[in-house]
Amino acid sequence: DIVMTQSPDSLAVFLGERATINCKSSQSVLYNSNNENYLAWYQQKPGQPPKLLIYWASTRDSGVPDRFSGSGSGTDFTLTISSLQPEDVAVYYCQQYYRTPLTFGGGTKVEI
Amino acid sequence: QVQLVESGGGVVQPGRSLRLSCAASGFTFSNSGMHWVRQAPGKGLEWVALIRYDGSNKYYADSVRGRFTISRDNSNNTLYLQMHSLGAEDTAVYFCARDHGRGIGVSWFFDLWGRGSMVTVSS
Repeated sequence: DIVMTQSPDSLAVFLGERATINCKSSQSVLYNSNNENYLAWYQQKPGQPPKLLIYWASTRDSGVPDRFSGSGSGTDFTLTISSLQPEDVAVYYCQQYYRTPLTFGGGTKVEI
Repeated sequence: QVQLVESGGGVVQPGRSLRLSCAASGFTFSNSGMHWVRQAPGKGLEWVALIRYDGSNKYYADSVRGRFTISRDNSNNTLYLQMHSLGAEDTAVYFCARDHGRGIGVSWFFDLWGRGSMVTVSS
């Protein structure tokens, strides 16, 4: 199985400041034939289901604010919130879909 | 309104069975692969199973293979998860989730989630 490791486990950021979350996979999730990274990011607010933010490592889902961005390739990925807003308080998960079983990182809790 | 609504959760004794349902609305259910994902209390996310849009193929996590069965009824826009031989490790909120792919294509990530159904395995 591909193990996804997120860091940090939690972080506190001032409103308007940048939040950076890291995700590392135990093996590359870059598919050479199409040069795509099979990596998604989700946001889960308390008491709610997860919400898709980013897929293919850097493509924002429809309606996701542009303060959210994804980067990285191979085994190392980053989710950046450029200017933290109150509604961004949540747990963020990365997920690889390079192969089954689909696996998630342990989550990063973002607080104000 | 595009939504998924799970039902069927509850408290069940170890070794018993339970069936979850997920009612889909607002989109063409028969054209979407569907997943079950679970989340133990206070824990992270664990993928459970996928069924292709037409039910032709099913995939399972090792932790549930042989005990859980995913199925669907496209005429009633409903996804199911039949769970047998339940143990304490199966205690979780079970989410149904739509695959981002459509038709024959499966993307293997999730673009729509239900609110979940809680399953508690306890004597």
